[in-house]
Amino acid sequence: DTGVSQDPRHKITKRGQNVTFRCDPISEHNRLYWYRQTLGQGPEFLTYFQNEAQLEKSRLLSDRFSAERPKGSFSTLEIQRTEQGDSAMYLCASSLGASTEQFFGPGTRLTVL
Amino acid sequence: KNEVEQSPQNLTAQEGEFITINCSYSVGISALHWLQQHPGGGIVSLFMLSSGKKKHGRLIATINIQEKHSSLHITASHPRDSAVYICAVRSIQGAQKLVFGQGTRLTINP
Repeated sequence: DTGVSQDPRHKITKRGQNVTFRCDPISEHNRLYWYRQTLGQGPEFLTYFQNEAQLEKSRLLSDRFSAERPKGSFSTLEIQRTEQGDSAMYLCASSLGASTEQFFGPGTRLTVL
Repeated sequence: KNEVEQSPQNLTAQEGEFITINCSYSVGISALHWLQQHPGGGIVSLFMLSSGKKKHGRLIATINIQEKHSSLHITASHPRDSAVYICAVRSIQGAQKLVFGQGTRLTINP
């Protein structure tokens, strides 16, 4: 257990539905990252927060994706109108500052039918 | 071409063998990470390197900044070392996000 938790661990949804994932980082960590990992590939960066500010978003993050970290603690990632191509593992990580080790959560595995 | 390339993609060995996994990258970096991912998805950070060599138990990680290359070694490998090993770099230009290799799937047979 790294201290980073994610909920739910698994989500199965039908195409077109909205889904929301939650990440709880290590409490004193000010940086929070979201990554996406498809089968057989390494993770890909989606977005990151420093405290409550979202500082960078990947081109992978289409308009259907939105992420928030309202009080600089937990974060949510919402996908609207899900597509089968959204099926992946969504990973959250947190760190204390920019240049330190990132601690990863267990991930949320999304399956879009 | 990916910014981070790992080799081999798959590696099967017998218990006790010395294992080497390689990582090459094409961008300027501020740090390189070696990560371990077990079935089910959880990722654990093994090392964070910016120069030289680090050792933790049976694991050794080295980096050559000039050659843009890093290696992860496992001595006296054990079946519990079976996992996917991922190299990731933090680009000096990339706002501190990690760029990942595709991973090396290691299987150690008893």
